[in-house]
Amino acid sequence: DAKTTQPPSMDCAEGRAANLPCNHSTISGNEYVYWYRQIHSQGPQYIIHGLKNNETNEMASLIITEDRKSSTLILPHATLRDTAVYYCIVRGPFGYNQGGKLIFGQGTELSVKP
Amino acid sequence: EPEVTQTPSHQVTQMGQEVILRCVPISNHLYFYWYRQILGQKVEFLVSFYNNEISEKSEIFDDQFSVERPDGSNFTLKIRSTKLEDSAMYFCASRAGTGASNEQFFGPGTRLTVL
Repeated sequence: DAKTTQPPSMDCAEGRAANLPCNHSTISGNEYVYWYRQIHSQGPQYIIHGLKNNETNEMASLIITEDRKSSTLILPHATLRDTAVYYCIVRGPFGYNQGGKLIFGQGTELSVKP
Repeated sequence: EPEVTQTPSHQVTQMGQEVILRCVPISNHLYFYWYRQILGQKVEFLVSFYNNEISEKSEIFDDQFSVERPDGSNFTLKIRSTKLEDSAMYFCASRAGTGASNEQFFGPGTRLTVL
């Protein structure tokens, strides 16, 4: 699975959009970009994933560059409850009997301030 | 909304004792995982389990660790003889099946403290 690089920390004002970048320059053609977050030692929480196209769900949007070497997770209106560590993970599609493990890096610690 | 549950939320044990951490994955999920997180460090993969057998394990998952799905609902992690360095949060996760869209759902974790 390709390696990812994220800034260690970011701040965001409450109500503003939080844009979290991730570099994955060695990503290969069949690898997906996943985002998870972990709020204060709780279990990691799935946010969104994508392959090539931009994706949006009720939590966030994922923008993947055309060359797929980087992506940005967007929380459109950050709240104090979005304060968490955000992890960008790249991995291939799960196949039959493949373990499917997730490899977590250090992530980006997002602080949403009032 | 279905969720992964874990018990106990906090386990304190003496070094050398056996502990069993319990998880109830989401019903109908087929793949099960254990991860751990030592305080202040990254979440680390321990083991994955599918079709009643281990499909992958990390170097952390040595002979002191074992996993079991004793019935149709529980998934357990046993540490035979705990060491101080086993103190960590242990997270269970499950996922539905094949396909990249099958994200993993994590439980709230069990905090294991080895004295």
